[in-house]
Amino acid sequence: GENVEQHPSTLSVQEGDSAVIKCTYSDSASNYFPWYKQELGKRPQLIIDIRSNVGEKKDQRIAVTLNKTAKHFSLHITETQPEDSAVYFCAASRTGGFKTIFGAGTRLFVKA
Amino acid sequence: EPEVTQTPSHQVTQMGQEVILRCVPISNHLYFYWYRQILGQKVEFLVSFYNNEISEKSEIFDDQFSVERPDGSNFTLKIRSTKLEDSAMYFCASSEDGADRTQYFGPGTRLLVL
Repeated sequence: GENVEQHPSTLSVQEGDSAVIKCTYSDSASNYFPWYKQELGKRPQLIIDIRSNVGEKKDQRIAVTLNKTAKHFSLHITETQPEDSAVYFCAASRTGGFKTIFGAGTRLFVKA
Repeated sequence: EPEVTQTPSHQVTQMGQEVILRCVPISNHLYFYWYRQILGQKVEFLVSFYNNEISEKSEIFDDQFSVERPDGSNFTLKIRSTKLEDSAMYFCASSEDGADRTQYFGPGTRLLVL
């Protein structure tokens, strides 16, 4: 069945450094890839998404890249700040589909 | 900004009891979803709902689960006979269009089955 693998499970960086989280997906029909940030005890919140017709998207300090051939996509956070500390989930779904499959999550710690 | 709301925020129940979790999606959204998240684990898709019927469900969503849109605003998840392993955070979400559009999550209901 569909699956999304996410690495690493935990990531610790110094404030100001960059953080990269990587995901691979199994369903070749997937073409929508959102990333969610979840703070402790809170709801997941969309931070950026990418569709299969583009290879990269950027929003201030956050960027996402997609390689459809290899079926993997990555989240890049530059100039990390302590408030970036949270769990980040990647996800995948199909256009016209109704199911979103989430990765296992990456717990990011940004040390001041 | 409109938000998805959920009630109750916490629910404690005895094993075998029925629970109903309630959600009010964003008013102009047409697609509704339920997810669960066992403590410390990933978000798992349960079911999606469109046009007053289930559009897709996962293997988790067995006969013990049901969903309903009883009126124009509420969207409910019923667990008929709760088990210990149903203890989790349950999130409702909604989107304007299908799963390839931004889904907005509610704050969740933390269910504890004793």
